[in-house]
Amino acid sequence: GDSVTQMEGPVTLSEEAFLTINCTYTATGYPSLFWYVQYPGEGLQLLLKATKADDKGSNKGFEATYRKETTSFHLEKGSVQVSDSAVYFCALNDYKLSFGAGTTVTVRA
Amino acid sequence: DGGITQSPKYLFRKEGQNVTLSCEQNLNHDAMYWYRQDPGQGLRLIYYSQIVNDFQKGDIAEGYSVSREKKESFPLTVTSAQKNPTAFYLCACTGRGSYNEQFFGPGTRLTVL
Repeated sequence: GDSVTQMEGPVTLSEEAFLTINCTYTATGYPSLFWYVQYPGEGLQLLLKATKADDKGSNKGFEATYRKETTSFHLEKGSVQVSDSAVYFCALNDYKLSFGAGTTVTVRA
Repeated sequence: DGGITQSPKYLFRKEGQNVTLSCEQNLNHDAMYWYRQDPGQGLRLIYYSQIVNDFQKGDIAEGYSVSREKKESFPLTVTSAQKNPTAFYLCACTGRGSYNEQFFGPGTRLTVL
């Protein structure tokens, strides 16, 4: 079945550092891919998405490119802030969402 | 404003009691979902419904029940048969098409004492 594997955390960074969270997927069809962010005690918010190969999703300085050849959708941000501290989930949607386990990111001032 | 709401935010129950968690959406979305999240873990699908009066079991449906009598509402009942009910429960909804993201409610934290 469909599945998502993402980099295990926790990840701790200093402000203005570069962030990468790896995500790879297995799917039989042509899924859409998503990154969600969860702040403490809250629900998930969509961060960005890509619906077909080579699409790049971007939002709030975060980017991810749908790579069909490597079945990947890695999340990147060039300069993180303390406010980016959260749990990040990679997900794919074929007929239902499949989530990765989440990566906790802590950014220190 | 359109959105998805869950109530209450925090819920405490004694062991052996059934409890129902509310989920309401005014986004006119057909599909609704319930997930369970345990500390430090990802989301696990409990039940989902793609249309009124129809729903399917997810990966961890045992000990839970749902109903979908109205498009806007998808309540989840945590029964006494659920062995470890203490968790954070998230409801979500989505429009048709796999390109559509899911919109999540704020969650309900259930603690069984």
